[in-house]
Amino acid sequence: SYVLTQPPSVSVAPGKTASITCGGNNIRSKVVHWYQQKPGQAPVVVIYYDSGRPSGIPERISGSNSGNTATLTISRVEAGDEADYYCQVWDSSSDHWVFGGGTKLTVL
Amino acid sequence: EVQLVESGGGLIQPGGSLRLSCAASGFTVSSLYMSWVRQAPGKGLEWVSVIHIDGSTYQADSVKGRFAISRDNSKNTLYLQMSSLRVEDTAMYYCARERGENSGHPFDYWGQGTLVTVSS
Repeated sequence: SYVLTQPPSVSVAPGKTASITCGGNNIRSKVVHWYQQKPGQAPVVVIYYDSGRPSGIPERISGSNSGNTATLTISRVEAGDEADYYCQVWDSSSDHWVFGGGTKLTVL
Repeated sequence: EVQLVESGGGLIQPGGSLRLSCAASGFTVSSLYMSWVRQAPGKGLEWVSVIHIDGSTYQADSVKGRFAISRDNSKNTLYLQMSSLRVEDTAMYYCARERGENSGHPFDYWGQGTLVTVSS
């Protein structure tokens, strides 16, 4: 089955840039979605189709997908960005959705 | 306004059965792909099952043969029938709507979740 690998944690100072990676075999051939989850809340999609931004998501949040790694980038990080982030792909070979293990973003 | 409201969670003994419901409003459950996703306490998201527009269903290997997803179009409600429950099935269970009418679209709406605790 397809596996997505994320770093368990990323720390960043306010105003700096955070990059959260999502590794998978030839992930560039798949479409990646990213979710933000804050404590006690349901996840919210922040990036879809690799780099698309749903309405209401600030432009400082962006995504890319190349080779074996997809990346979520948050520029000018704010305290409110502190959350868990998950990548997701559809594995058509198994008709299964796959989530990465999640990354806890800490704003120092 | 799109809303998803789960219910049916609770405390259940190992080996028991439980049916979760997800009442939808603002759209028709049979017109989009719908999934269940769970999250064990302090852990990450785990996809559980999906039902397609044509009624075909798929489950994660961890629940195959024990869980079944279905829907009632007349009630506009999604279900997850869970049987032979194990301690490791303890989790918050979310229903989620896929944005498109075929595979691979993001989950654009989620319910608030219903907690299932499997314990003796």
